Amino acid sequence: AQSVTQLGSHVSVSEGALVLLRCNYSSSVPPYLFWYVQYPNQGLQLLLKYTTGATLVKGINGFEAEFKKSETSFHLTKPSAHMSDAAEYFCAVTRSMDSSYKLSFGSGTRLLVRP
Amino acid sequence: DADVTQTPRNRITKTGKRIMLECSQTKGHDRMYWYRQDPGLGLRLIYYSFDVKDINKGETSDGYSVSRQAQAKFSLSLESAIPNQTALYFCATSDGGQPYNEQFFGPGTRLTVL
Repeated sequence: AQSVTQLGSHVSVSEGALVLLRCNYSSSVPPYLFWYVQYPNQGLQLLLKYTTGATLVKGINGFEAEFKKSETSFHLTKPSAHMSDAAEYFCAVTRSMDSSYKLSFGSGTRLLVRP
Repeated sequence: DADVTQTPRNRITKTGKRIMLECSQTKGHDRMYWYRQDPGLGLRLIYYSFDVKDINKGETSDGYSVSRQAQAKFSLSLESAIPNQTALYFCATSDGGQPYNEQFFGPGTRLTVL
């Protein structure tokens, strides 16, 4: 089985501050890991993903995430928050050996950016 | 035009009514998915389809059925709606080549069952 835990249902930062959204996963086989973002009244869109190779992954809009196998984590960061980053963020995992390619999502973290 | 479209965008219905949500895609992807989103629970997979003849249950399929009418169309039905099916429903598609291929989501259908 695989699962994803996102710590903190809401995170509030000031504009210009560091953004850190936490994600821990459990998977019995090597995982593929994703971060998706959902802006208000929209569907989800991919921010970044980890498959294999380099553990630091860069995505769109200045976000990046680091895969740490020893900590089973895939935390999302951005050095400087913008007002436009306010959205809900979902971490997701699928298993590399699962032919169904099903994604398991975390419960989401809503990012609030204060002026 | 959007690559993944869902109709209707909003629907209010009553307990016991039959409801169909429709999804169409122009991306040419073979895989299609239906998810429901509930506050604090993230997204949960209802059904997924690898092609027209291959449909599979997800983690929360009770009370739902689906139909893959064509490669581009995937419909979700609630045969007899109940209040706990009130949720935001998303359709998604992906290219079936690799498990890490991006899923592309529609804008969602907000369903309220009274």
